[in-house]
Amino acid sequence: LAKTTQPISMDSYEGQEVNITCSHNNIATNDYITWYQQFPSQGPRFIIQGYKTKVTNEVASLFIPADRKSSTLSLPRVSLSDTAVYYCLVATYSGAGSYQLTFGKGTKLSVIP
Amino acid sequence: DTEVTQTPKHLVMGMTNKKSLKCEQHMGHRAMYWYKQKAKKPPELMFVYSYEKLSINESVPSRFSPECPNSSLLNLHLHALQPEDSALYLCASSQDPGGQETQYFGPGTRLLVL
Repeated sequence: LAKTTQPISMDSYEGQEVNITCSHNNIATNDYITWYQQFPSQGPRFIIQGYKTKVTNEVASLFIPADRKSSTLSLPRVSLSDTAVYYCLVATYSGAGSYQLTFGKGTKLSVIP
Repeated sequence: DTEVTQTPKHLVMGMTNKKSLKCEQHMGHRAMYWYKQKAKKPPELMFVYSYEKLSINESVPSRFSPECPNSSLLNLHLHALQPEDSALYLCASSQDPGGQETQYFGPGTRLLVL
């Protein structure tokens, strides 16, 4: 089972790029890495997913090195509305069509004006 | 429609009560999930339904009983809960079961057990 480790919190000023790294040292070959954003009193919302190298969408980029033991979520030019908790999720196949879905402890990002 | 709805939004119940949480999605998703989230903690997976059949039960106590009446609905029946069961209960769905599938979450039901 891939255990994930993230920083507990980060602060950033508006307009800056923010990078949040998640460590998953024992990630398995078939595991995917997914990042979710959660605002208070709301359900998590999908941000981005990757398997290896780099993935980019309209809101973020995800960098995954060749050994896949970590991944970095990059948020370009953050705004106050990006203040939220960001979770790294590694889904591990556990056989018979079953998956272990374990969220990291989450990184609370605070964007400062 | 990419929305997962949950009712009620808030629920207060005593330890002897029986109540149910409801979840609905109309995206044609074939996997549905229940998570429990305590304050300042990540969501913890409780149950997964795949094609209307229970596929994952993360050793959840029997006082929580899931039900999937059809492909769009997911219920969580609650009975004889404890105060430590107070939490945000999140429902999610995905197109198919599988670790690489994007999950769409509802807003949750905030449960308080007295």
